[in-house]
Amino acid sequence: GAVVSQHPSWVICKSGTSVKIECRSLDFQATTMFWYRQFPKQSLMLMATSNEGSKATYEQGVEKDKFLINHASLTLSTLTVTSAHPEDSSFYICSAFYGGELFFGEGSRLTVL
Amino acid sequence: GQQVMQIPQYQHVQEGEDFTTYCNSSTTLSNIQWYKQRPGGHPVFLIQLVKSGEVKKQKRLTFQFGEAKKNSSLHITATQTTDVGTYFCAGSTGGFKTIFGAGTRLFVKA
Repeated sequence: GAVVSQHPSWVICKSGTSVKIECRSLDFQATTMFWYRQFPKQSLMLMATSNEGSKATYEQGVEKDKFLINHASLTLSTLTVTSAHPEDSSFYICSAFYGGELFFGEGSRLTVL
Repeated sequence: GQQVMQIPQYQHVQEGEDFTTYCNSSTTLSNIQWYKQRPGGHPVFLIQLVKSGEVKKQKRLTFQFGEAKKNSSLHITATQTTDVGTYFCAGSTGGFKTIFGAGTRLFVKA
């Protein structure tokens, strides 16, 4: 199957700093990628749809200026959590469709101190 | 907006017992997918159902898609400890956007 790689797998940062998470499709091109957020023992909440070459589409309630998404190429989407606060601590997962299946990255666990 | 409800939230079973999780959508779906997430891991695709009334089997797992394409179920026969994890349904009304159910955490006691 297709491979989606996410980096870093975990990150700890101080409150007020910005953190960038990368999502790469390793063996296929993805014009669309998805960013999810998952709190412990909860479901995946779709944050935004990342579109190559155009602006991301954000779900209701997700702050665009807080969670910056850039889909720079057909294999790379980045999520930047700006001015991170402890409440932003979560598990962030990206995904992309290939052959009708949704493939997920390994996830990035963000802890904001 | 579109909602996908999933029950139960948790299920404890003895190894060898059967397990079922149910999903219900507020809107008609074009397809529904099922994923399994092991503790500490990321979701892994299990199957996609597209046709009304469709039933698919994967070894001990049976997936059903309702006639109205608004509900679905996953049934595991004779659970094993390797079945432990959270099972998510995820529905789409068309296009790429997929909404996940809350998930059902399965605990299997040996």
